[in-house]
Amino acid sequence: DQQVKQNSPSLSVQEGRISILNCDYTNSMFDYFLWYKKYPAEGPTFLISISSIKDKNEDGRFTVFLNKSAKHLSLHIVPSQPGDSAVYFCAASVTYGNKLVFGAGTILRVKS
Amino acid sequence: ETGVTQSPTHLIKTRGQQVTLRCSSQSGHNTVSWYQQALGQGPQFIFQYYREEENGRGNFPPRFSGLQFPNYSSELNVNALELDDSALYLCASREQGTTYNEQFFGPGTRLTVL
Repeated sequence: DQQVKQNSPSLSVQEGRISILNCDYTNSMFDYFLWYKKYPAEGPTFLISISSIKDKNEDGRFTVFLNKSAKHLSLHIVPSQPGDSAVYFCAASVTYGNKLVFGAGTILRVKS
Repeated sequence: ETGVTQSPTHLIKTRGQQVTLRCSSQSGHNTVSWYQQALGQGPQFIFQYYREEENGRGNFPPRFSGLQFPNYSSELNVNALELDDSALYLCASREQGTTYNEQFFGPGTRLTVL
C-alpha cells in the first residue's frame, strides 16, 4: 500500500529552466510534508517542508505547493542548476508523528 | 558538532546470518529512527527509539530489532538474513518534540545478502 507516490522516476531539465517534481498521497491524515534531496553515498538531506494549513512555502529557489483537495504536492526549482542533480524524495507525516512515509523518489538531471 | 554517523559503510553477509548496524546520533538528539531503502524505492520506516525504548514500529518482522544506549547511539540487529534484506539502511536522529525539519540522516550502511 503506497501511501505516497512519485510517479515520475526521472526528469531531465536544462540549466536555468524550471524543474517541477510531483508527489501524490492517499492518506488524508497526513498533515506535514517534506522534500528531501539525496546524493549518492549520502543520506537524504532536508530541503523544504509544508504544513497542511498552508498551500505554498518558499525558500530561495525552492517552492513547494500543496493541493489538499487533490492530495497532491509539487516542488518547483527555479532556476535549475547542475548541482541540483540528485534524487528527490517526497515524504509525509502526521505532525509530531513517529515516522515519515516516503515516495519512491525522482531522479533529477539538470543539463548544462 | 558532529552529524549522524553510521558504521560500517558496506558489508556483505550470507543468507541466515545475523548482522548489527550502528548509528551515532547528532549531539543533543535523543530520538533515533531506522529506515530501509531497497533499490529503486524510498526509505521505509523500520522503528524509532526514544529514551532507550522502542517508540513506534513499521511493517517489519520481529527479526528486525534495535537498541538505543544512554548516549543515544543506536543499533539495528537483523537475524536470519534473507536475500530481500539487501538494502541501504539509514538512521536519522532528532530531538523529541521537534519537527522533521530538524531530523538529520546518516550516510547509510549498504548491506548485501548473498
